[in-house]
Amino acid sequence: EPEVTQTPSHQVTQMGQEVILRCVPISNHLYFYWYRQILGQKVEFLVSFYNNEISEKSEIFDDQFSVERPDGSNFTLKIRSTKLEDSAMYFCASRVAPNEQFFGPGTRLTVL
Amino acid sequence: AQTVTQSQPEMSVQEAETVTLSCTYDTSENNYYLFWYKQPPSRQMILVIRQEAYKQQNATENRFSVNFQKAAKSFSLKISDSQLGDTAMYFCAFKGNAGNMLTFGGGTRLMVKP
Repeated sequence: EPEVTQTPSHQVTQMGQEVILRCVPISNHLYFYWYRQILGQKVEFLVSFYNNEISEKSEIFDDQFSVERPDGSNFTLKIRSTKLEDSAMYFCASRVAPNEQFFGPGTRLTVL
Repeated sequence: AQTVTQSQPEMSVQEAETVTLSCTYDTSENNYYLFWYKQPPSRQMILVIRQEAYKQQNATENRFSVNFQKAAKSFSLKISDSQLGDTAMYFCAFKGNAGNMLTFGGGTRLMVKP
């Protein structure tokens, strides 16, 4: 069964560094998402992406964040200058059907 | 803006028993979608069950069923014949008809005891 994959599973970085989190959505899916979950808190929406552009974003998704679909398979989230409070689990999701989003296993980002 | 509330931070149930997890939401929309996701210790989010608001019939997936009360804006999850593998965080989520994003509740940590 096809699934969303994410790499790396765990990323450790120094404050102020740039990180790129990678996702490979399910191949025939058209809508892509990033969510984050700070430890012990609820899952929060960051951004949705369709037809090579951002379709919706939350207040969390400020100028430090960007997304890209550099080729036909990858979907990336870049954090330009990481802060301690960016430490979280980052989930990628994708969908083709109207409403069911399939989630990847997540990338745990630790900012030191 | 929509909000989703799960009033039970933690619950426990004996193996083979039935447990119900509560979820309420607030929206001004008439057409929307509701989901329950399971997050085991591995942290992966797994879809358990979904419900379209326009459907009056409650969704059922094997041991999992929902009690959808649209007027009360309530969407509870019933797990029958609980198994040890059901131990996980359970998140209720809402998606409006127009928007793309899922809005999640705070989660309920379920422990199934042998």
